[in-house]
Amino acid sequence: NAGVTQTPKFRVLKTGQSMTLLCAQDMNHEYMYWYRQDPGMGLRLIHYSVGEGTTAKGEVPDGYNVSRLKKQNFLLGLESAAPSQTSVYFCASTLEGSSKTQYFGPGTRLLVL
Amino acid sequence: AQSVTQLDSQVPVFEEAPVELRCNYSSSVSVYLFWYVQYPNQGLQLLLKYLSGSTLVKGINGFEAEFNKSQTSFHLRKPSVHISDTAEYFCAVSDQVNYGGSQGNLIFGKGTKLSVKP
Repeated sequence: NAGVTQTPKFRVLKTGQSMTLLCAQDMNHEYMYWYRQDPGMGLRLIHYSVGEGTTAKGEVPDGYNVSRLKKQNFLLGLESAAPSQTSVYFCASTLEGSSKTQYFGPGTRLLVL
Repeated sequence: AQSVTQLDSQVPVFEEAPVELRCNYSSSVSVYLFWYVQYPNQGLQLLLKYLSGSTLVKGINGFEAEFNKSQTSFHLRKPSVHISDTAEYFCAVSDQVNYGGSQGNLIFGKGTKLSVKP
């Protein structure tokens, strides 16, 4: 099992450009999450999904959209990138909510100029 | 709303010394508690978690944590650290009640960077 994978690993964007980050998991997990990590801020939840075809907003959803068309994939989109979206993005998944451990991907470093 | 406070942003310690990383939380409902570790340029990995039962929880790599409900704390300890323990450690809380599918959502502290020196 590859676990949770993220594509790409690193990307540089210009302000106003768009891009999509892909998260894939092969553990048949129901729940998937997108976080951003900024220095001194810990991880903050952007959006999450409790199953195929469903998504919900987290703590910092503005400027991002997500889709969960297939159970194994969770896409994070930036329609018009801003320098404030420079961050490291982590995807995670878990079998179900509550006490189940979240498994994290290796992260995507995004730099917006 | 829940919140997590990690009281130290950086903890330097010498190899083979004991270490304690402090975590306090606030919540109006019962919670589950977690410690994750992040090695440089990697994702997060679960160290240990408290769900119920014994308040002393043992995790991987010799770490343990104690849940103290009265003090709303979940401090992480290791009796003797190694160079390889150098990493950032995150405390996280998850509520036990399902609010419209939010059950299981983690609230993270801001992290504590542990630096082990030879």
